[in-house]
Amino acid sequence: GENVEQHPSTLSVQEGDSAVIKCTYSDSASNYFPWYKQELGKGPQLIIDIRSNVGEKKDQRIAVTLNKTAKHFSLHITETQPEDSAVYFCAASMGVGGNEKLTFGTGTRLTIIP
Amino acid sequence: KAGVTQTPRYLIKTRGQQVTLSCSPISGHRSVSWYQQTPGQGLQFLFEYFSETQRNKGNFPGRFSGRQFSNSRSEMNVSTLELGDSALYLCASSSLARADTEAFFGQGTRLTVV
Repeated sequence: GENVEQHPSTLSVQEGDSAVIKCTYSDSASNYFPWYKQELGKGPQLIIDIRSNVGEKKDQRIAVTLNKTAKHFSLHITETQPEDSAVYFCAASMGVGGNEKLTFGTGTRLTIIP
Repeated sequence: KAGVTQTPRYLIKTRGQQVTLSCSPISGHRSVSWYQQTPGQGLQFLFEYFSETQRNKGNFPGRFSGRQFSNSRSEMNVSTLELGDSALYLCASSSLARADTEAFFGQGTRLTVV
């Protein structure tokens, strides 16, 4: 089955700097890669996703890049703010057929230092 | 629109007992998935239901079971509880039975087995 590895497990950055979280996946058939943010005491919430027919996607300060050949994808957060402090999870799946469930990475705890 | 509601929020059970957790999806959503979240393991997929049918199942022992009702509400049951079952159990609902659709998570039920 699909296996998703996520690094680093913890990350501390100064407010205003950029943060990068990386994930690799094993199943070349996976074609959907979402990123979820989990704040303390809450469930994960989708912040951005990318599909295999796209190499990069941006939404304000957040961007995701995908390299299908190398089977890895990354989350980039620019101009970090205190409210970006949370645990971030990457995931991979196939929409229909094969791995029809989200397989999550083990999470990255991001701390923004004021 | 109300979000995903999970009850109860917290539970303390004794080893060997059984427990039932409840999840009410977003109105109109017919797909409900369950995940176990533990420190260092991320989110582990338990099972997914769509229109009262189990569509997918993760690699958990038979002590973990679930069901979905005609109103899309779902329950999961864990029998013969073990200390290792202590975790945050998350429920997510989606509008479609596709793994490339946004999953909306509830706040979870924190289960402690003593």
